[in-house]
Amino acid sequence: NAGVTQTPKFQVLKTGQSMTLQCAQDMNHEYMSWYRQDPGMGLRLIHYSVGAGITDQGEVPNGYNVSRSTTEDFPLRLLSAAPSQTSVYFCASSYSGGQSNTEAFFGQGTRLTVV
Amino acid sequence: GNSVTQMEGPVTLSEEAFLTINCTYTATGYPSLFWYVQYPGEGLQLLLKATKADDKGSNKGFEATYRKETTSFHLEKGSAQVSDSAVYFCALNAGNNRKLIWGLGTSLAVNP
Repeated sequence: NAGVTQTPKFQVLKTGQSMTLQCAQDMNHEYMSWYRQDPGMGLRLIHYSVGAGITDQGEVPNGYNVSRSTTEDFPLRLLSAAPSQTSVYFCASSYSGGQSNTEAFFGQGTRLTVV
Repeated sequence: GNSVTQMEGPVTLSEEAFLTINCTYTATGYPSLFWYVQYPGEGLQLLLKATKADDKGSNKGFEATYRKETTSFHLEKGSAQVSDSAVYFCALNAGNNRKLIWGLGTSLAVNP
C-alpha cells in the first residue's frame, strides 16, 4: 500500500532552472495539495486540487504551477527556480466528500535547494 | 478568519515526564481538530483527531480533548518516551473545502 509517493527526495537546482516535483497517490483521493515547510513558518499551502481537471491557488502560489490530468497524479512545476524556493515540499491527499474530518495523507517530502 | 496557535518550542523533557503541548484555535462554525506528528526526515502523519466538542482523540498514549468553551485542543501524554521526539502540528478544518489550517509546529525532544 504505497499511499502518497513523492519524487525526488532530494534535489539541487541552479537559479533559473526548471523542474517538476512528482506526486502520486493510489488511494483514489480527490483532494490533493502541495505545501512548503520552512523553519519557523510551519506549513504553507501552495496549490491544491479538488479533483481531476480542477486546481486552485493556496497561500503562496507565485513561482509554481500545477496540473491535475488524472486523479492519481498532481505534479508541481517550478518554472524558473529562485533561492527563495529552497524548502521542503510535501504533497498530501485526502478523501473527498465535503467532510471536515477527513485525514490528510502526506508524502515523504522533497528537500529542494536552489543555489 | 480561522487560525491555530501552538506553544512555541523547542520543548525538552526527560523520559517519563508528563507531556503537554498547547493548542488554541479561532474558527467559525464547528471545526474538526487534528494533531499531526512529523518524525525526523519523514512526512506528517495523523496522530489523533476530534470532530465535535468534548470529543477526546487518543492514539499511542496521546490524548487531546476538544474544548469549545476554551477553544483549545491540548495534546497530552502521561509518560514521554525518547521515541516521541518529533515535531507536532495542531490543525483544524472548519469547512467542507478540506483545507487544513495549521499551527506552526512544536518541536519536542525527549532525553533519556
